[in-house]
Amino acid sequence: DQQVKQNSPSLSVQEGRISILNCDYTNSMFDYFLWYKKYPAEGPTFLISISSIKDKNEDGRFTVFLNKSAKHLSLHIVPSQPGDSAVYFCAAAEGDGAQKLVFGQGTRLTINP
Amino acid sequence: NAGVTQTPKFRVLKTGQSMTLLCAQDMNHEYMYWYRQDPGMGLRLIHYSVGEGTTAKGEVPDGYNVSRLKKQNFLLGLESAAPSQTSVYFCASSFSGRVYYNEQFFGPGTRLTVL
Repeated sequence: DQQVKQNSPSLSVQEGRISILNCDYTNSMFDYFLWYKKYPAEGPTFLISISSIKDKNEDGRFTVFLNKSAKHLSLHIVPSQPGDSAVYFCAAAEGDGAQKLVFGQGTRLTINP
Repeated sequence: NAGVTQTPKFRVLKTGQSMTLLCAQDMNHEYMYWYRQDPGMGLRLIHYSVGEGTTAKGEVPDGYNVSRLKKQNFLLGLESAAPSQTSVYFCASSFSGRVYYNEQFFGPGTRLTVL
């Protein structure tokens, strides 16, 4: 059973517009959420995270929103740039354990010039 | 700093063969992890280590063994490879087990094909 789901395998956005990537989770014990970005032939790199005590976290062009009642989070990228084209993974974890991250399937974002 | 490195980058095995994947990190991190990535499945945790000499099972440990004899190295072994183990394997490390503001750093991956 997939505890973290990214239902959109791919997303195409015009350069300069907003990209919105979505993620849903089922485990109510998750209290920390992360987004990783992955380029081809490279490992994932950390992008942004949010704790369950917050509903928004912003870092430059990237903002993550958390809706705990809906068990839903989203990543907003504004404005989108060609270098943002990558696969984005949503991940979740419980508390202060051994960082046993549970990942979603990933969404391939393509930014068109 | 090289960060997290993985050896080899590619490997093709025949069913039943064995091999070891090596992960090395130069960041003095305590925690290390092995994941596999399959199409449509995201990354799944195989085994992890909370320090030198320790190992623990993750979500999909069957068919794999690990060892952490030195703090900087984490080895993933396949004793008898099966086609179901065809995947891309990622190693990661983190300074501690605290998930808050303590992200995992990933290596570039090893693409393994089992025929």
